[in-house]
Amino acid sequence: SQKIEQNSEALNIQEGKTATLTCNYTNYSPAYLQWYRQDPGRGPVFLLLIRENEKEKRKERLKVTFDTTLKQSLFHITASQPADSATYLCALPTDSWGKLQFGAGTQVVVTP
Amino acid sequence: DSGVTQTPKHLITATGQRVTLRCSPRSGDLSVYWYQQSLDQGLQFLIQYYNGEERAKGNILERFSAQQFPDLHSELNLSSLELGDSALYFCASSSTRNEQFFGPGTRLTVL
Repeated sequence: SQKIEQNSEALNIQEGKTATLTCNYTNYSPAYLQWYRQDPGRGPVFLLLIRENEKEKRKERLKVTFDTTLKQSLFHITASQPADSATYLCALPTDSWGKLQFGAGTQVVVTP
Repeated sequence: DSGVTQTPKHLITATGQRVTLRCSPRSGDLSVYWYQQSLDQGLQFLIQYYNGEERAKGNILERFSAQQFPDLHSELNLSSLELGDSALYFCASSSTRNEQFFGPGTRLTVL
């Protein structure tokens, strides 16, 4: 069955450093992969989408890579700030209509 | 603000009862998705509608049903509620088969 794995342990990081999160998947051949941010008690917010033919995508301080051979995506937050503290979810499409399966998410805590 | 609205914000009810959750998608979005998020389960896809028609189903219980109306708003009906149904229920909408825009959620507590 299709599976998405994200680090379940919280990532504690000092302000100004780079946070790197991993999303591994099995039994998928996704055309794209998405990353969302979720704050406690709130709905996820879309951050970035990267397609299978793109190796890397950037948006401000965020960078995503996508390695379809390794079946892995890395999500980087550079120059992290306390406001970046949240849970980050990766999501993969499971059909052609946009149905997504989400990973369990990795919590990031940025301390001043 | 994602442009997706959900009502009510909170709902407290008793086991065995029936509730209806409502979602209004972003203007112009034809797709509506429902998700359930409980503490131990993460975000679980329930069902998708596109322009009034059911498009995809996840692990939605038979006690749950949904529909999308001609004005594109959607309702999720949960019946014969059990304690384990307590969760956050999110609705999301999209105009493409790509990013989804999530509402603020409805927190359901079943006592």
